[in-house]
Amino acid sequence: AQTVTQSQPEMSVQEAETVTLSCTYDTSESDYYLFWYKQPPSRQMILVIRQEAYKQQNATENRFSVNFQKAAKSFSLKISDSQLGDAAMYFCAYRHSLTQGGSEKLVFGKGTKLTVNP
Amino acid sequence: GAGVSQSPSNKVTEKGKDVELRCDPISGHTALYWYRQSLGQGLEFLIYFQGNSAPDKSGLPSDRFSAERTGGSVSTLTIQRTQQEDSAVYLCASSLAYLAKNIQYFGAGTRLSVL
Repeated sequence: AQTVTQSQPEMSVQEAETVTLSCTYDTSESDYYLFWYKQPPSRQMILVIRQEAYKQQNATENRFSVNFQKAAKSFSLKISDSQLGDAAMYFCAYRHSLTQGGSEKLVFGKGTKLTVNP
Repeated sequence: GAGVSQSPSNKVTEKGKDVELRCDPISGHTALYWYRQSLGQGLEFLIYFQGNSAPDKSGLPSDRFSAERTGGSVSTLTIQRTQQEDSAVYLCASSLAYLAKNIQYFGAGTRLSVL
């Protein structure tokens, strides 16, 4: 079974600085999707960024970017110019590729609590 | 609707009672998922619906848990004879299925507290 590991239960960053959240995963598949979700105190999970495993180029969404190392099974999230509104729990998640007939369920890591200091 | 809607937002119940949690997905989304978020276990998958059928219900923890979906829209998660270990946030998500790039959109969840 696939597993996702987030080794940093908590992280903190100064406003306007850059922070990197770590994620590693275990899978025997070659095609899959990786996600970073943000969960603020409102509890609603919000998609931050998505990476398709067959794409070598790292995904970028404004201040958010990933470092996807497929061979190392690593998928870190970099937040640049951190803002107070970035404070939240961040979850890394894995999903099978539907083309391989896998389940559509997301497998989540246990999360990293990010604090942004003014 | 504009987003995934879950009700109630919070539910307090006594041990042994039955509870029903409701999820109203984004209009037009054919896939619906239930997850459970608890302090000790993180986020766990419970069940997935495609239309009204459930091709994957491997995450349901016991036969006290059941879910149904009607009209390809609203879903209800039922927990019978609740136990204290059922206390958690129950999250629902929906997506356009059969698309390799589909994204799951989440509701704000129902926080269940079993006393």
